[in-house]
Amino acid sequence: EAGVAQSPRYKIIEKRQSVAFWCNPISGHATLYWYQQILGQGPKLLIQFQNNGVVDDSQLPKDRFSAERLKGVDSTLKIQPAKLEDSAVYLCASSLSWGVLSEQFFGPGTRLTVL
Amino acid sequence: RKEVEQDPGPFNVPEGATVAFNCTYSNSASQSFFWYRQDCRKEPKLLMSVYSSGNEDGRFTAQLNRASQYISLLIRDSKLSDSATYLCVVNGGRGSTLGRLYFGRGTQLTVWP
Repeated sequence: EAGVAQSPRYKIIEKRQSVAFWCNPISGHATLYWYQQILGQGPKLLIQFQNNGVVDDSQLPKDRFSAERLKGVDSTLKIQPAKLEDSAVYLCASSLSWGVLSEQFFGPGTRLTVL
Repeated sequence: RKEVEQDPGPFNVPEGATVAFNCTYSNSASQSFFWYRQDCRKEPKLLMSVYSSGNEDGRFTAQLNRASQYISLLIRDSKLSDSATYLCVVNGGRGSTLGRLYFGRGTQLTVWP
């Protein structure tokens, strides 16, 4: 079974530039998550989708971050404009359904460096 | 105060050793608890869920103490392949955070030959 796919794997940009990350979840998984993992810390949830609706985006810095999952499958996370403190690994995860008892499967992540 | 606190280590142990990791959580309403494993520069993967009665999976034993809001992971007979970062994970507990997972910063383990 194919896992969660993410691209690009690495991205280097200068501050104030824009960047977008793409995620394709495991087939049939209704719930999709975007996490930010800063070096030396655990992943922090940015946004959670159930199908194409947002369940939880309370920790998403909405002045610069946006995400969408238009057809309930693939998702895109955008940062505009980027700041130095956005340097992190952005992890996408998916699960069969919403709720903590449904195991989350993570993609390999996109490592972002903002210069 | 952070939702999940862990000793970051590092723990350096020889093969065959027994090692224990602990974490504490702040939300008494949390209902679900997990340990995830994250290899260097890789994604986190679920190692095991943690149940109130304690549970065991091979060489790994997880314990939960709700009164003290404390979770532990014990690894017996350590293998080189156990070298990784172990993340303590807790759910939000109520309302809008019920489905949200909170990750600790992780405890780094290195097993040497």
